Amino acid sequence: GDSVTQMEGPVTLSEEAFLTINCTYTATGYPSLFWYVQYPGEGLQLLLKATKADDKGSNKGFEATYRKETTSFHLEKGSVQVSDSAVYFCALGMEYGNKLVFGAGTILRVKS
Amino acid sequence: DGGITQSPKYLFRKEGQNVTLSCEQNLNHDAMYWYRQDPGQGLRLIYYSQIVNDFQKGDIAEGYSVSREKKESFPLTVTSAQKNPTAFYLCASSIDGPGLAGFNTGELFFGEGSRLTVL
Repeated sequence: GDSVTQMEGPVTLSEEAFLTINCTYTATGYPSLFWYVQYPGEGLQLLLKATKADDKGSNKGFEATYRKETTSFHLEKGSVQVSDSAVYFCALGMEYGNKLVFGAGTILRVKS
Repeated sequence: DGGITQSPKYLFRKEGQNVTLSCEQNLNHDAMYWYRQDPGQGLRLIYYSQIVNDFQKGDIAEGYSVSREKKESFPLTVTSAQKNPTAFYLCASSIDGPGLAGFNTGELFFGEGSRLTVL
């Protein structure tokens, strides 16, 4: 079945460091890919998305590129801030599917 | 402000009791979802509803029940048949039902969650 695999955390970085959180997927067909973020004590919110191969999603300084050849959608940010500390979830949704499939989530901790 | 409201935020239950988690949305969304979040396992879909008076089982529906009598409301009941109910429960909604429009936009709007602990 469809699945999403994320790098295990927690990931701990100093402020202004470069961030990469790896995400790979398995799916039949052509999924859309998403990154959701969950700040402490809150629900999830959509961070960015890409709907077809080679698309780049971006928001709040975060970016991710849909790589069909490597079935990946890695999340990157050039300079993290303490306020980026959160749990990040990679997810996929099939074009005619009926639900999102989420990865296990990666905890990011940014130190000042 | 538009959004999704879940209540209660924290709930304690004795073994053998049923409990109901509330989820209300004022976004005028057609579709609503319940997910369960466990440490290290991400989110797993319990039930979803695409329209009023209709709902479908997700991946882990056993021991849970739902109703969708109103567009705004999608309560989840955790029954005594659920063997391991201690978890964080998230309700979500989306503009249209998954698959109905032929394309899943993927934008779910989540509530702040309800944490259930079985004593």
